[in-house]
Order: sequence, then structure tokens, then C-alpha cells
Amino acid sequence: QVQLQESGPGLVKPSETLSLTCTVSGGSISSGSYYWVWLRQPAGKELEYIGRIYTSGSTNYNPSLKSRVSISGDTSKNQFSLRLSSVTAADTAVYYCGRSFFGGPIDYWGQGTLVTVSS
Amino acid sequence: EIVVTQSPATLSVSPGERPTLSCRASHSVDTYLAWYQQRPGQAPRLLIYDVSTRATGIPGRFSGSGSGTEFTLSISGLESEDFAVYFCQQYKKWPYTFGQGTKLEIK
Repeated sequence: QVQLQESGPGLVKPSETLSLTCTVSGGSISSGSYYWVWLRQPAGKELEYIGRIYTSGSTNYNPSLKSRVSISGDTSKNQFSLRLSSVTAADTAVYYCGRSFFGGPIDYWGQGTLVTVSS
Repeated sequence: EIVVTQSPATLSVSPGERPTLSCRASHSVDTYLAWYQQRPGQAPRLLIYDVSTRATGIPGRFSGSGSGTEFTLSISGLESEDFAVYFCQQYKKWPYTFGQGTKLEIK
């Protein structure tokens, strides 16, 4: 059973960089035909895809966030991470990590972590 | 970007009924559509992918249909645990996008 767990600061100041890590157990981020993904959900709004990293290390980012986003993987720790720079209050959301098969549906999700952008 | 719209926003039904939830895409997504269930305080759970294929462990009372731009999720024999928010996702074109969700509530 694959399990994912997000970790990182719950409070980030405006203009700073949001950094989250997703720790994966029960599966390897460097094997199989999977994408490891980051999404977010502002309160009362729909889910938004932030980006994804393939087992090969290649990445895709949502064009709306591309200039501020970076996703990387650490195979030695079986973790992948999200960095979102120059945050504003609009980046306040519950952030989820997950696993996507065939590049589409997300079959495993982390529990989500609330990140608030505020001074 | 493909816009995904769900209706209704809220659906009030009684246990045992068979609700139908709708999902519409602004452009054809062929059969690249998934449905998720989200209970309060929990992460989403994949129910159906490729329009009508149930994910592992999902009971047969959940069924999906449609193609192109119009899709539906039906739940036969609604149980108490099914009262949740349901949303659809297209994965035809990047960035993949989600609908705003339909909340299924007890009448």
C-alpha cells in the first residue's frame, strides 16, 4: 500500500518561498510508470494541479505557476519536494501530494497540509 | 486550458436513492475523465477513471458514463458513507483541470 505524507511549514510570509516535502512509503518514486504530483485546494475552490515529476526526473508545471514553481525528487530518501517562490495570500491553500498513473488519474493522495501565507 | 464545470453544486437526496452528477468539459476530453470522492477533512479518493473504470476497491454502486464533453456519475443505492463532495478531473490536455465539485447531502 502506497502512502504519502506532506511536511513543511504551515505559515509562510508574503514574498517568501513555500517549501513542502512529500515522503513516500510502500513504493519507489524512481520506478514504475508513475508521476508524482503536487496539487492545491484553496478554501471553497476547486483543486488546482501545480505540477508533476516523472520517475525519470522530468517535470511538468502548470503554466499559471510555471515561473514560480520547482519540483524535485530525492530518490535516496524516497521523497519529492515542491518550492513555490514569491508567495502571496492567493497561495494560501491545502497542498496535496499524490501519485498519478498513466499520467492522469491520481490513485494515492497524501492527507494534505494547510499552508497559510500571512505576515 | 480546459474548463470543467459540474452541476448541480449541491444535490439533496435520501439514502437509497440513485443520484446522477454531471460534469461538462469546455472542449472534448475523449474518455480522459476521472471522478473523485472527498469526505470532510479527508484527502480525495479516486472512484472512476477513463470515464467508467472503477478504481481498486470501489463498490459497484458507483458508475460513470459519457464521452467528449458530457459525463455523469451515478450512485445506485445511496449509503450514508456516500454523502460527500464529488469532483471530476480531465486529463486529456495539460494542465489537467478539476471541476468545482458537487456536494451530495442528506435530504
